[in-house]
Amino acid sequence: QKEVEQDPGPLSVPEGAIVSLNCTYSNSAFQYFMWYRQYSRKGPELLMYTYSSGNKEDGRFTAQVDKSSKYISLFIRDSQPSDSATYLCAMSHGSSNTGKLIFGQGTTLQVKP
Amino acid sequence: DAGITQSPRHKVTETGTPVTLRCHQTENHRYMYWYRQDPGHGLRLIHYSYGVKDTDKGEVSDGYSVSRSKTEDFLLTLESATSSQTSVYFCAIRLAGMADTQYFGPGTRLTVL
Repeated sequence: QKEVEQDPGPLSVPEGAIVSLNCTYSNSAFQYFMWYRQYSRKGPELLMYTYSSGNKEDGRFTAQVDKSSKYISLFIRDSQPSDSATYLCAMSHGSSNTGKLIFGQGTTLQVKP
Repeated sequence: DAGITQSPRHKVTETGTPVTLRCHQTENHRYMYWYRQDPGHGLRLIHYSYGVKDTDKGEVSDGYSVSRSKTEDFLLTLESATSSQTSVYFCAIRLAGMADTQYFGPGTRLTVL
């Protein structure tokens, strides 16, 4: 079983829809949680990061962490065709000096005009 | 922009040949990472470095070696390339003061025939 599970999709939604992307994890030691966006043939770019549980909002994006359920989510409001990309969740222990991240396999999102 | 470049950006080689990929950064970041990305597996850590001449293995290090003789350069070497090493390779640096977040380079697409 992988430490981080993410449904690969693809997920297809109409423009303007609210999108929910999710990851589950098994290691309760994870402290930092991140979301990356990756356009086709590009490197991943950091969208948001959170520490421990709670919500964080940045424009149309909201990240949620539920440590009791070992579940994290990324919500995209008023989705746009430019949001079409692969979204990767990533996590780390935080207390380690290595800074190593564990990634989900990514969810491919398509927003149709 | 953390100023990461990767070279070459594309390479086609034959089984059994040695291959070296270069990652170059311009901002003196201490931690650098090499990942490979394959369908169904997401990003997997190959090796990482926490300083000049200080490196350690990641989860998929077999068949790969690394070197870091200068802060700005992190080299990934495939001593004898195999078809299973056909992949997209990403270099990343750890961003200081932003938890364990990482900034990624543009990637190198490697095909081993």
